[in-house]
Amino acid sequence: AQKVTQAQTEISVVEKEDVTLDCVYETRDTTYYLFWYKQPPSGELVFLIRRNSFDEQNEISGRYSWNFQKSTSSFNFTITASQVVDSAVYFCALSEARFPPQFYFGTGTSLTVIP
Amino acid sequence: DAGVTQSPTHLIKTRGQQVTLRCSPKSGHDTVSWYQQALGQGPQFIFQYYEEEERQRGNFPDRFSGHQFPNYSSELNVNALLLGDSALYLCASSLSQGGNEQYFGPGTRLTVT
Repeated sequence: AQKVTQAQTEISVVEKEDVTLDCVYETRDTTYYLFWYKQPPSGELVFLIRRNSFDEQNEISGRYSWNFQKSTSSFNFTITASQVVDSAVYFCALSEARFPPQFYFGTGTSLTVIP
Repeated sequence: DAGVTQSPTHLIKTRGQQVTLRCSPKSGHDTVSWYQQALGQGPQFIFQYYEEEERQRGNFPDRFSGHQFPNYSSELNVNALLLGDSALYLCASSLSQGGNEQYFGPGTRLTVT
């Protein structure tokens, strides 16, 4: 069965600090996809990044970076030099390679950046 | 390029009533999924529609039903509302091929009194 675990329920950091959000997943599939979404207080989930199981290259996009490690089944998300606008709930998700795929979401990590 | 739209934004219903929520997918998307998100929780998968058929279903009772129309838009119906059905209902659309991200609408906030 597919499962996504985000052990960190809430994190608070002071502005400009770096913060890493953890995501651990379980799947028996060899082909799968991982995602991160951001849910600001307005409520709409915003897509941030997608990774497929064959691509373990880390990715950096501005202040955001993602570390995908199949050996530990982890897909962690780091925000560098955090800003108040980063305050939101962040969800990690896993989808199958089946047609059409179902998405499995973690319980989310609520990040508060204190000015 | 319009994103995913949902209506209504907010809804207040009485226990035992029935409700219909609507969703229009992002242009070009053919698959629609519905999620229930209780306060402080992650999205819980309700079901998914593709080619006007329910393809997958999460652990929700038959009181939750849906429909997809030829233009790919979708409806979520909930009968015999319970207080516990109060939540944010999210619609997400995607392409049917695996590996594509889902795009979410702003959600419908349902309150059952």
